[in-house]
Amino acid sequence: QVQLQESGPGLVKPSGTLSLTCAVSGGSISSSNSWWSWVRQPPGRGLEWIGDIHPSGTTNYNPSLKSRVTISLDKSQNQFSLKLSSVTAADTAVYYCRAYTGYTSFDPWGQGTLVTVSS
Amino acid sequence: EIVLTQSPGTLSLSPGERATLSCRASQSFSSSYLAWYQQKPGQAPRLLIYGASSRATGIPDRFSGSGSGTDFTLTISRLEPEDFAVYYCQQFGGSPRTFGQGTKLEIK
Repeated sequence: QVQLQESGPGLVKPSGTLSLTCAVSGGSISSSNSWWSWVRQPPGRGLEWIGDIHPSGTTNYNPSLKSRVTISLDKSQNQFSLKLSSVTAADTAVYYCRAYTGYTSFDPWGQGTLVTVSS
Repeated sequence: EIVLTQSPGTLSLSPGERATLSCRASQSFSSSYLAWYQQKPGQAPRLLIYGASSRATGIPDRFSGSGSGTDFTLTISRLEPEDFAVYYCQQFGGSPRTFGQGTKLEIK
């Protein structure tokens, strides 16, 4: 079964760039039916969809973050990445990577990683 | 953007009771693209229902989903102690793939 694992710095300075990677095992990131996505959850709050990417290269982003977000695929490493620029304390959250088709039971999630924005 | 509104915000029930959670969309979309998740503290969300009414692998049959268009419902027929958690709906019918704000199911 597909498993996802996030990695990256747990602390980012204000105005800096948050960079996370999600390693995929047990399946190929090139699967044509799947979207690869990032979701975040500020402490004590609900889930916020950040964006997703298809193996074709098509991306979708949350309009509230679109100017600061880039999601990319690395097919050679079977992983995908998130970059969020110009971060503030409001970007402090647990960040999850996940995959889905949107209409089947394929919907694995990573365990999540806490990223704190602080000087 | 499709806005999903979940109600109630908090639901207080006892084990053995029936829970009914609502997810209402600001515009209609195919029920094929509506999912429900359960999240417990410190854990990633877990898929319960996809396609509005299909249970994911390993999900007990006390969980059921229904609805179409703009109104969707998650029903838990007889609450078990492990069912007390936060529940989210999400739509994949358009971008952004929005979540509802969540319903907290707490023990009465």
